[in-house]
Amino acid sequence: DAGVIQSPRHEVTEMGQEVTLRCKPISGHNSLFWYRQTMMRGLELLIYFNNNVPIDDSGMPEDRFSAKMPNASFSTLKIQPSEPRDSAVYFCASSLGRGGTNEKLFFGSGTQLSVL
Amino acid sequence: EDQVTQSPEALRLQEGESSSLNCSYTVSGLRGLFWYRQDPGKGPEFLFTLYSAGEEKEKERLKATLTKKESFLHITAPKPEDSATYLCAVLAWGGSYIPTFGRGTSLIVHP
Repeated sequence: DAGVIQSPRHEVTEMGQEVTLRCKPISGHNSLFWYRQTMMRGLELLIYFNNNVPIDDSGMPEDRFSAKMPNASFSTLKIQPSEPRDSAVYFCASSLGRGGTNEKLFFGSGTQLSVL
Repeated sequence: EDQVTQSPEALRLQEGESSSLNCSYTVSGLRGLFWYRQDPGKGPEFLFTLYSAGEEKEKERLKATLTKKESFLHITAPKPEDSATYLCAVLAWGGSYIPTFGRGTSLIVHP
């Protein structure tokens, strides 16, 4: 398996523009997580999906952020409008789901977002 | 609220100089404690899961241990390729399957 695939790897945009980050989880995994990582705050959970349904979105900073998972093999994280403080590395991770070692996360390589 | 504190924030070692990284946690009931390794420009990669106090796991030069309040990642005779950020995460019982991550320890091993 190719692992969790994220695109793009790097995104540079101007303040106010819409940004869409994409994620393809590992086939057969039914849990998907979006995290944001910064030097100041470390890894922060944004949203958690289970079986394509958003379970916990309490980490989504504000209405400018939205996430979807239309099917088991694809998820998007959208920021509209983007702001400089959104600059960070965004990770997508997936896991088999509930129970034992199924709970370990497999992370993608991340999207480095820079908002100018 | 679950809390995870890792120390030190950064650690510099000479090749062959053994040391330990600490992960202190506060959870209502520990379901599992996870260690991950993160290389620059990459996502975290799973190392170990520990479930109960007294449990130990080993992989090459790394050994993870667990007590009721903390976990240690012992690095024996480290090599430069062990340089990375090591992240600890906890998963609690009670409905949420969302792990809480610590800030990590950045390890640099000098040749």
